[in-house]
Amino acid sequence: QKEVEQDPGPLSVPEGAIVSLNCTYSNSAFQYFMWYRQYSRKGPELLMYTYSSGNKEDGRFTAQVDKSSKYISLFIRDSQPSDSATYLCAMTLSGGYNKLIFGAGTRLAVHP
Amino acid sequence: GAVVSQHPSWVICKSGTSVKIECRSLDFQATTMFWYRQFPKQSLMLMATSNEGSKATYEQGVEKDKFLINHASLTLSTLTVTSAHPEDSSFYICSARDTGGREPSDTQYFGPGTRLTVL
Repeated sequence: QKEVEQDPGPLSVPEGAIVSLNCTYSNSAFQYFMWYRQYSRKGPELLMYTYSSGNKEDGRFTAQVDKSSKYISLFIRDSQPSDSATYLCAMTLSGGYNKLIFGAGTRLAVHP
Repeated sequence: GAVVSQHPSWVICKSGTSVKIECRSLDFQATTMFWYRQFPKQSLMLMATSNEGSKATYEQGVEKDKFLINHASLTLSTLTVTSAHPEDSSFYICSARDTGGREPSDTQYFGPGTRLTVL
């Protein structure tokens, strides 16, 4: 079993839709959760980070962490064609200097 | 935001030659940098963790004599692919951890990647 499971998609939605991207994990010691966006042939770009359980909102993006279920989500409201990319969840133990564990990435396509 | 650059952005070389890739943190200091490789439509695979002033820590299965890593300063790490072969063709991405306190210390900022093609 992988430490982090993420559905690779592809996920295709119409412009304006609400997108839900999810990851599950097995290590209950993970404390720090991130979402990265990666456009084709580019490096990943940090979108959101959260500590422990709860929600965090930034513009059209909301990151949600449910530690009891070992489940994290990224919601994108009013999706745009420019949101078309691969979204990678990542997580790590707390305390600094720990490597990130990535999900496989979900490919999202938002069509006009 | 924190900016990480990589050079070159792409390189084509002949089999048997060595290729050096640079990773720089432009507006912050990075005690720790990471090197990843990524195959098409796959996630990032961590190759090694590079610490300034000390030897890199390689992940299991990564040949340290083939992928030489040097982290000589707080803003520069280099990856040298020695005696490259076609199977080394991949997208190589570095990341740097901002130790200056701007973000939580676990945040990694990624470079734009280097596409290596070995003929």
